[in-house]
Amino acid sequence: GENVEQHPSTLSVQEGDSAVIKCTYSDSASNYFPWYKQELGKGPQLIIDIRSNVGEKKDQRIAVTLNKTAKHFSLHITETQPEDSAVYFCAASLNQAGTALIFGKGTTLSVSS
Amino acid sequence: KAGVTQTPRYLIKTRGQQVTLSCSPISGHRSVSWYQQTPGQGLQFLFEYFSETQRNKGNFPGRFSGRQFSNSRSEMNVSTLELGDSALYLCASSSRGQFQETQYFGPGTRLLVL
Repeated sequence: GENVEQHPSTLSVQEGDSAVIKCTYSDSASNYFPWYKQELGKGPQLIIDIRSNVGEKKDQRIAVTLNKTAKHFSLHITETQPEDSAVYFCAASLNQAGTALIFGKGTTLSVSS
Repeated sequence: KAGVTQTPRYLIKTRGQQVTLSCSPISGHRSVSWYQQTPGQGLQFLFEYFSETQRNKGNFPGRFSGRQFSNSRSEMNVSTLELGDSALYLCASSSRGQFQETQYFGPGTRLLVL
């Protein structure tokens, strides 16, 4: 079946450093790849997404890259801040609409000041 | 614009009981998807409703069911609860439920089965 693998499961960085989280997916039909941030006691919040016709997308300190041939995509956070500490999930669409997502197991990011 | 709301936020049930959870999507959104989140299995897709019809379904037993009303509000029901059903149940809405739209998640309902 479809699968999304996410690495690393935990990541600790110093404030100001960069953080990189990588995901691979199995279903070549997937065409939409969102990233969510989840803080304790809250639902996941979209931080950035990328569609299959784009290789890279950037929004201030956050960027995502997609390699459809290799079926992997990555999240890059630069100049990390303590408030970036949270659990990050990558996801891939199971349908064209993007309304059914398969998620990675999550990465717990800790940013120490 | 108000976000996705879910009620109740916390629920305690015993094995064998049934439970109904409610989700109100963002105003104007027509697609509602449900997910189960557990420490062991992570976030798993349950099903999606669009225009009162179940459009997609994940790999969960028939004890898990849902419905959507004409105002796009959705409910999910779990019958004959098992201990393993303890989880955070999240719903997410998107606008037209069409091509690669963003899903916005609610805060979830935390269900504990004793």
